[in-house]
Amino acid sequence: DVKVTQSSRYLVKRTGEKVFLECVQDMDHENMFWYRQDPGLGLRLIYFSYDVKMKEKGDIPEGYSVSREKKERFSLILESASTNQTSMYLCASSSRLAGAETQYFGPGTRLLVL
Amino acid sequence: DAKTTQPNSMESNEEEPVHLPCNHSTISGTDYIHWYRQLPSQGPEYVIHGLTSNVNNRMASLAIAEDRKSSTLILHRATLRDAAVYYCILRGNTGKLIFGQGTTLQVKP
Repeated sequence: DVKVTQSSRYLVKRTGEKVFLECVQDMDHENMFWYRQDPGLGLRLIYFSYDVKMKEKGDIPEGYSVSREKKERFSLILESASTNQTSMYLCASSSRLAGAETQYFGPGTRLLVL
Repeated sequence: DAKTTQPNSMESNEEEPVHLPCNHSTISGTDYIHWYRQLPSQGPEYVIHGLTSNVNNRMASLAIAEDRKSSTLILHRATLRDAAVYYCILRGNTGKLIFGQGTTLQVKP
C-alpha cells in the first residue's frame, strides 16, 4: 500500500514564526502536492512538484514556499506564519500527472497560528 | 478545469444501497471522473474513477451517463464506516484535482 506520512498531526505556532511541514511518500512517486482545507472552501492547491527541485504554483501560493530536495520528501514552508494560515494542510502524491492517475493523501496536519 | 455539482448531503440506512449523483455538464473529452471520500479527521482517499464506461471495484461502482454529463457513485451496501464526505472530481492532464464541496453522507443504523 502507498503510504504518505506527514510530520505532525497537530501543530501550534505563534504569529511570525517560520513553520516547516514535512511530507514523505514511500512509493517512488514523481509528483507531490500540498493542499489546505478550510470549512466552506474545500481543498485548495498551494504548490505541487513534478520532480526533484521542481515546483509549480497552485491556486493559493501566497505566503508559502516549498522545497523538494529528495524525491520522497516535499516540504511546505510558512516563512512568517499568520493567523489566516490556520488550517488543515494535506499532502498528496501520484506517479504521473495524467488524468487517470490517483492521488494518495496523507492524514493531514492541523495547524493553529496564535 | 470543468466543475461538478453534487447535493450537499444525503442519508442512507445501513445495509441499503446508496446512489450519489454528480453533474458535470461542461466535461471535456479527455477529463476523467474521479471519486474520493474523506472520513472524519482523515485525508481524502481514492474510491474509483472512469472515463466513459461503467466501472466496478471492491469499494463501489461508477455509472457514467452516455453523454458523460453526469455520473453516479454506487455503494452497494452502506455501512456506518461509509459515513464521509464524497467528492466527485474531473481530472484532466494538468494533474490538478479541483475539489468542490462534496456530498456529506450520513448512514443510519
